[in-house]
Amino acid sequence: KAGVTQTPRYLIKTRGQQVTLSCSPISGHRSVSWYQQTPGQGLQFLFEYFSETQRNKGNFPGRFSGRQFSNSRSEMNVSTLELGDSALYLCASSLEGRVGTEAFFGQGTRLTVV
Amino acid sequence: DAKTTQPPSMDCAEGRAANLPCNHSTISGNEYVYWYRQIHSQGPQYIIHGLKNNETNEMASLIITEDRKSSTLILPHATLRDTAVYYCIVRSPNFGNEKLTFGTGTRLTIIP
Repeated sequence: KAGVTQTPRYLIKTRGQQVTLSCSPISGHRSVSWYQQTPGQGLQFLFEYFSETQRNKGNFPGRFSGRQFSNSRSEMNVSTLELGDSALYLCASSLEGRVGTEAFFGQGTRLTVV
Repeated sequence: DAKTTQPPSMDCAEGRAANLPCNHSTISGNEYVYWYRQIHSQGPQYIIHGLKNNETNEMASLIITEDRKSSTLILPHATLRDTAVYYCIVRSPNFGNEKLTFGTGTRLTIIP
């Protein structure tokens, strides 16, 4: 079956702009989580959505937001971009988001803020 | 979630078994041990997970000590494609806690 799909794969934005990233989970998966990966901070959890509701949130400013649609597809939005937002953004999907189930990651969206 | 400690790097000869250790001395009785790996610039890939018993799948084996304070991931016949950063993660069983806390992992290099 198809894996987790993230679009776009690469993005270049200017400081101050906003950006929307998309994640299509594996069919049947209802939990979608987002992570930011930078060389300095490693992989950090942003938030998790389940059945269109945010269930968990990491320690990121309010400029980072997300949503999930009824088909489980999720979008992440970053407003007022800063240079430090340059990172690989990864999403992961799982059946229900419970421990004991696996989370499958997409290939990520590499965002560069100039 | 309990904290994990892994060596920063390891080398292994191609064709040999790669044994990656992980310490998780503060693990709670109902927390799972998960292993993921990340090949350069790709998304992390799930490998295996376990609670108390040793586990094996087509990719690897997971050996968890009886006191559950440490575990070892075993790649039985390492290939060059196994070169990656390997993350050992302890996960809480709380429902709705789909939050993986990644540490710095072990950078495994397979030597030809």
